[in-house]
Amino acid sequence: GAGVSQSPSNKVTEKGKDVELRCDPISGHTALYWYRQSLGQGLEFLIYFQGNSAPDKSGLPSDRFSAERTGGSVSTLTIQRTQQEDSAVYLCASSSGWETQYFGPGTRLLVL
Amino acid sequence: AQSVSQHNHHVILSEAASLELGCNYSYGGTVNLFWYVQYPGQHLQLLLKYFSGDPLVKGIKGFEAEFIKSKFSFNLRKPSVQWSDTAEYFCAGVSGSARQLTFGSGTQLTVLP
Repeated sequence: GAGVSQSPSNKVTEKGKDVELRCDPISGHTALYWYRQSLGQGLEFLIYFQGNSAPDKSGLPSDRFSAERTGGSVSTLTIQRTQQEDSAVYLCASSSGWETQYFGPGTRLLVL
Repeated sequence: AQSVSQHNHHVILSEAASLELGCNYSYGGTVNLFWYVQYPGQHLQLLLKYFSGDPLVKGIKGFEAEFIKSKFSFNLRKPSVQWSDTAEYFCAGVSGSARQLTFGSGTQLTVLP
């Protein structure tokens, strides 16, 4: 079966612009996670969706970051007014209930 | 606060050498532990996981890990590494009601042919 997919695979943007990153989870997985992988900070949790429950946003670094999940499937992570420190690989993962998280290939974001 | 520590940042081995990568966690209560691997240019893949039961868990590609509760450790082992094991290895955990993974800082393994 298909794994987690993410688009775009690479994104270059200018400081101050908004970007949208997309995640398609594994079909049937109810939980979806966003993480960020950067040189200085390692792998950090950003936000978590479980079914129809309110998302856990405790990992979002600032109010410039937001995410939504439409129809319990596809998710979009939006970064407004991007800064150079937002440059990182943004990873999406999905899981079935409380089980193992499966990761997508990531979106490499570079803010110039 | 929950945390996962990996003290080996870069390990260099020759082929056929034995491998042990350290992982320590600080959690109270029930804990689920994972090892993920990231090969060059590829995405994170699950190597093995511990949820409960036998503390010695076996994963893919000949890897195994032992959960030692008294030492708060979950070290990864492989008796004989191959050049193709060159990758970055991440230990991660989740505990209690939290579902998000907390990752260690990762260990870069380089296997010399």
